Amino acid sequence: NAGVTQTPKFQVLKTGQSMTLQCAQDMNHEYMSWYRQDPGMGLRLIHYSVGAGITDQGEVPNGYNVSRSTTEDFPLRLLSAAPSQTSVYFCASGRGMTYEQYFGPGTRLTVT
Amino acid sequence: ELKVEQNPLFLSMQEGKNYTIYCNYSTTSDRLYWYRQDPGKSLESLFVLLSNGAVKQEGRLMASLDTKARLSTLHITAAVHDLSATYFCAVDISPLGTYKYIFGTGTRLKVLA
Repeated sequence: NAGVTQTPKFQVLKTGQSMTLQCAQDMNHEYMSWYRQDPGMGLRLIHYSVGAGITDQGEVPNGYNVSRSTTEDFPLRLLSAAPSQTSVYFCASGRGMTYEQYFGPGTRLTVT
Repeated sequence: ELKVEQNPLFLSMQEGKNYTIYCNYSTTSDRLYWYRQDPGKSLESLFVLLSNGAVKQEGRLMASLDTKARLSTLHITAAVHDLSATYFCAVDISPLGTYKYIFGTGTRLKVLA
């Protein structure tokens, strides 16, 4: 199993550009989520999904869109990038009664 | 406001010493998770604590959960350099089935030889 994979690893955007961060998992997990990590802070939940076709907002959803058309994939779209979205983005997935989440390697995004 | 607070935020300790990291949270929950993060890396799951009084141990690390006090501890025994990392606790605040984690700000641990 590859686990949770994310692409790209690094990305630089100009203010106003849009892009999609990709996340995929091959563990048949029903739950997937996106977090951002800023320096000196813990992770904050952006959006999550409890299954294909079902998504909901987390703590900091503004400026981001998600969709979940398959169990495996959960892309995160930045609609119009802003410098405040400079961060490291982690995707996670989980399944089962422990509610444990497994994290991907992260995407480091810089918006200039 | 939901809060998960860790202390200390920074910890520098000598090899061979013992220390405890504390994680306090402000909401009712009986599911708490500890993760380790090395610089520039992802988060690695350390412990899953799912009930009051739960205690888990792995090597030199031991985690416990007191849901009545809303407190979890991560105890380090006889620290070694390889334990240097940032440790996060996360509380699942969701009703059953939605995995909504609130993370603490992390404790950056440096073990000195």
